[in-house]
Amino acid sequence: RKEVEQDPGPFNVPEGATVAFNCTYSNSASQSFFWYRQDCRKEPKLLMSVYSSGNEDGRFTAQLNRASQYISLLIRDSKLSDSATYLCVALSGAGSYQLTFGKGTKLSVIP
Amino acid sequence: GAGVSQTPSNKVTEKGKYVELRCDPISGHTALYWYRQSLGQGPEFLIYFQGTGAADDSGLPNDRFFAVRPEGSVSTLKIQRTERGDSAVYLCASSRAGGGQNEQFFGPGTRLTVL
Repeated sequence: RKEVEQDPGPFNVPEGATVAFNCTYSNSASQSFFWYRQDCRKEPKLLMSVYSSGNEDGRFTAQLNRASQYISLLIRDSKLSDSATYLCVALSGAGSYQLTFGKGTKLSVIP
Repeated sequence: GAGVSQTPSNKVTEKGKYVELRCDPISGHTALYWYRQSLGQGPEFLIYFQGTGAADDSGLPNDRFFAVRPEGSVSTLKIQRTERGDSAVYLCASSRAGGGQNEQFFGPGTRLTVL
């Protein structure tokens, strides 16, 4: 079983829709979690960190449930420019420096 | 400011050949990481440098893979006797320091194709 699992999609949604991605992780020792965004044939870029209390950045809301080992990302009012692959990431390793990525969920926002 | 740069952007080689992939981290970043991303997968950790030393090379798949960072800045990932299964995008990342909440900034990657 992979350490970080997420639905690969694709998710095809119309502009303005709300879309939610889910992710589970198996390593209970993981301390920190992130969502990265990766455009086609580009490098991953940090979208936001994920905190237990939940955190919001504009149209994006991330949530962490440590008891269920579950992470979510909600995108409201989807824009065409949100089309990308969203990677769920856990920070692990002895010194907490090793990023463990899920396979990514592909989102296509359609006009 | 300048981000992480990697050269070459694309490398095509034949099975059995030796390749070197170069990474220039963000100036002043002491931590450097190599990841490998196969088609349809997320990046997978290969090796982590803190300064000049490899603090963790547990992700290197076998002894054909080796990486150096002799002066604590530029790093080179070396692959001997390449195999078709080595074909992937090799991503380098750097962070101000290792561990914790130090954001890792990724370079554009080197796309390696082994024929």
